[in-house]
Amino acid sequence: DAKTTQPNSMESNEEEPVHLPCNHSTISGTDYIHWYRQLPSQGPEYVIHGLTSNVNNRMASLAIAEDRKSSTLILHRATLRDAAVYYCAEGGATNKLIFGTGTLLAVQP
Amino acid sequence: GAVVSQHPSRVICKSGTSVKIECRSLDFQATTMFWYRQFPKKSLMLMATSNEGSKATYEQGVEKDKFLINHASLTLSTLTVTSAHPEDSSFYICSARDPLAGGPRQETQYFGPGTRLLVL
Repeated sequence: DAKTTQPNSMESNEEEPVHLPCNHSTISGTDYIHWYRQLPSQGPEYVIHGLTSNVNNRMASLAIAEDRKSSTLILHRATLRDAAVYYCAEGGATNKLIFGTGTLLAVQP
Repeated sequence: GAVVSQHPSRVICKSGTSVKIECRSLDFQATTMFWYRQFPKKSLMLMATSNEGSKATYEQGVEKDKFLINHASLTLSTLTVTSAHPEDSSFYICSARDPLAGGPRQETQYFGPGTRLLVL
């Protein structure tokens, strides 16, 4: 079975950077690495995704290890609105997404 | 763009009854949609892949006769929980990908807001 693991929880201070890790121990060579976040009783919201190279968008940055066995989601300046459960996931362009265990991010003012 | 809706947002039913949940892609056509189930404080677990015009593909351990999926049009997939029991109470979420999207959106899945099912 695929093992996509994340720390259960992390804490950050407002305005500081946050690095959320994910281990992709059984990822296939063609699967993309995706990150979503979820607020209580809502559907997941897309954050970012990539294949091999690091990626940046207006929400976050994604750093992918050279062997693709791990990735890190980087929030450059955490705000209170960034408090959520963050999920990494693996999946191809037409394939299903398999979600990681999720990290509950708390942001302190 | 790329908005997915679900209806109803929450439903309460009696044990033994059936419940239908709709998933719609509002501004794009989706040949494939996905259904997930999420228990409290747990991650999303994929239940099945819904294919427009053909049978759904179920994940191991998911009963196809209990969770009926119909994908009759390019914008609508339905999940029917038949003979629901309290253990079926959960948060059901669908997602879809826009196959005509260009660039990074091509690999992105967009999720609906979820449906909270409570079986009494």
